[in-house]
Amino acid sequence: SQQGEEDPQALSIQEGENATMNCSYKTSINNLQWYRQNSGRGLVHLILIRSNEREKHSGRLRVTLDTSKKSSSLLITASRAADTASYFCVPSTQGGSEKLVFGKGTKLTVNP
Amino acid sequence: GAVVSQHPSRVICKSGTSVKIECRSLDFQATTMFWYRQFPKQSLMLMATSNEGSKATYEQGVEKDKFLINHASLTLSTLTVTSAHPEDSSFYICSASDPLAGNNEQFFGPGTRLTVL
Repeated sequence: SQQGEEDPQALSIQEGENATMNCSYKTSINNLQWYRQNSGRGLVHLILIRSNEREKHSGRLRVTLDTSKKSSSLLITASRAADTASYFCVPSTQGGSEKLVFGKGTKLTVNP
Repeated sequence: GAVVSQHPSRVICKSGTSVKIECRSLDFQATTMFWYRQFPKQSLMLMATSNEGSKATYEQGVEKDKFLINHASLTLSTLTVTSAHPEDSSFYICSASDPLAGNNEQFFGPGTRLTVL
């Protein structure tokens, strides 16, 4: 298992704007996942992108993966106040029931 | 997606008592579940991996005698905080992955907030 490093640590934007969060990791991966955590709640799985994929979309979310740079990004388009949350990237080396290690995340605040 | 529930969602107890937290996978069988702890304004810290039918694997620095984990069935894992003290007050979250899904996407419970007085 390895931990991803999210950047920036905090991001504040206005409703309707796009939000971009970046993630870097250290060693080769099988896949990388993005999770969201609203304050005081459990985590919600957003997207899983495999090492052989470069881009993936889900609704207003777009995730990119650059394995040569060991980095990923999460783009939220047309943000809403409800998108306010912490976002975590979790690289996975093996897949399967591998334990996940969480970093500090990016705390996104979307102002109405 | 799959659903994981936790019970209770919130518990307040006196110092020295034990508290049991349940984690259930509602619509899938989970041979492996994970327990995390999260202190205010901090990230999740993995405490242990719960394996059905065998002993849990604890992360470094986590006392196995204090945090008892039992994974007696494919849909239920329990975490018991024994002789709880105020410093054990935290947000405890469990997760599970569906082995039939073919990936390690994890589904998280809503968490249990423990307050030890």
